[in-house]
Amino acid sequence: DVKVTQSSRYLVKRTGEKVFLECVQDMDHENMFWYRQDPGLGLRLIYFSYDVKMKEKGDIPEGYSVSREKKERFSLILESASTNQTSMYLCASSRPTETDNYEQYFGPGTRLTVT
Amino acid sequence: QQPVQSPQAVILREGEDAVINCSSSKALYSVHWYRQKHGEAPVFLMILLKGGEQKGHDKISASFNEKKQQSSLYLTASQLSYSGTYFCGTEAEDNAGNMLTFGGGTRLMVKP
Repeated sequence: DVKVTQSSRYLVKRTGEKVFLECVQDMDHENMFWYRQDPGLGLRLIYFSYDVKMKEKGDIPEGYSVSREKKERFSLILESASTNQTSMYLCASSRPTETDNYEQYFGPGTRLTVT
Repeated sequence: QQPVQSPQAVILREGEDAVINCSSSKALYSVHWYRQKHGEAPVFLMILLKGGEQKGHDKISASFNEKKQQSSLYLTASQLSYSGTYFCGTEAEDNAGNMLTFGGGTRLMVKP
């Protein structure tokens, strides 16, 4: 079974703090993604990575950065957390789209509250 | 731009059918469907590739009309286990390869 794990299920941080969200997958997937999920807005892509040290901006990268030093690990960084970054954050991984099966496998999510 | 899903919510009784639609303003290469149960991670249902291919397993199937840039998810003889939020994710032709844009979701509730 593919497993995508996220470092925390719930996190409470103060405005201005630096926040690290960690994601680890155990299926040797090339692609990894960070989404935020807000009611009525669905899943919005923040950043994704298709290889170690490679990253691409998604639809809403402002206020976020990412790091992928190892294939299995993809980190989302909020340099200075703000209240409008309160959300559910979901990590996902997949094989490359050149393969037959490139569905995304999601982690359980981290609910971040910034006060 | 996010694809538009309709309806936003639907309530069914067990055994009834439902259709969830997903429309994009962009030319699409593929459409992906996921289901998320409350408090859980989204789970993959199926991928439809350009070519109008219809797919399905069990009583859940989907179609992709590439001319209209629309996909529909069909749930027949719904079961209680079908409850959850359904998301379509679209892969645009001009950005094919790795990145999906998800719709706002359709919340489905199946009652006994």
